[in-house]
Amino acid sequence: NAGVTQTPKFQVLKTGQSMTLQCAQDMNHEYMSWYRQDPGMGLRLIHYSVGAGITDQGEVPNGYNVSRSTTEDFPLRLLSAAPSQTSVYFCATRSGLTNSPLHFGNGTRLTVT
Amino acid sequence: LAKTTQPISMDSYEGQEVNITCSHNNIATNDYITWYQQFPSQGPRFIIQGYKTKVTNEVASLFIPADRKSSTLSLPRVSLSDTAVYYCLVGVAGNNRKLIWGLGTSLAVNP
Repeated sequence: NAGVTQTPKFQVLKTGQSMTLQCAQDMNHEYMSWYRQDPGMGLRLIHYSVGAGITDQGEVPNGYNVSRSTTEDFPLRLLSAAPSQTSVYFCATRSGLTNSPLHFGNGTRLTVT
Repeated sequence: LAKTTQPISMDSYEGQEVNITCSHNNIATNDYITWYQQFPSQGPRFIIQGYKTKVTNEVASLFIPADRKSSTLSLPRVSLSDTAVYYCLVGVAGNNRKLIWGLGTSLAVNP
């Protein structure tokens, strides 16, 4: 039972390049989300999904795209990376039960030069 | 949106009990209080959640006074492995869009 798996663990991009951060979960959780964590700031919600085929924007969605074609996967796409997107990205899931806690992956550390 | 205030950092020694207090003056009626722990290079991990009075699990206790404007996470007999950042969040867990993550409390446990 792996829980929430994020790949890659580290990535370096040049400005303007694109990439996809992968998030996979084996807990059959309906809710999946992406956060970024920057020094001196709390975790900020980028996008989230309450089920396959449904996505919505969080607090800082600009520059990121998501899709949810299956319950298990929720990839985060950067279409044209910018230095401001240098951050640690976390995927988090939770079940549909009331007040269920978030389960986080171990993050992807992204550097954009 | 319910905002929380926690100490930026705390120091303790192995074997001591550590209490981290979180202030949340504008907590709403439906809000729950949830604490997470984060180690370096890892995602946050759920510790405990409560609505009122006291909640205890195998890891920690959570004390919530009647007015719910604050809460205290209690870690009994800490060890070096409890060195981490602890986050207090207030909100309706079913609405993560409205959960505000602060900077947390960085706890250092010394030998």
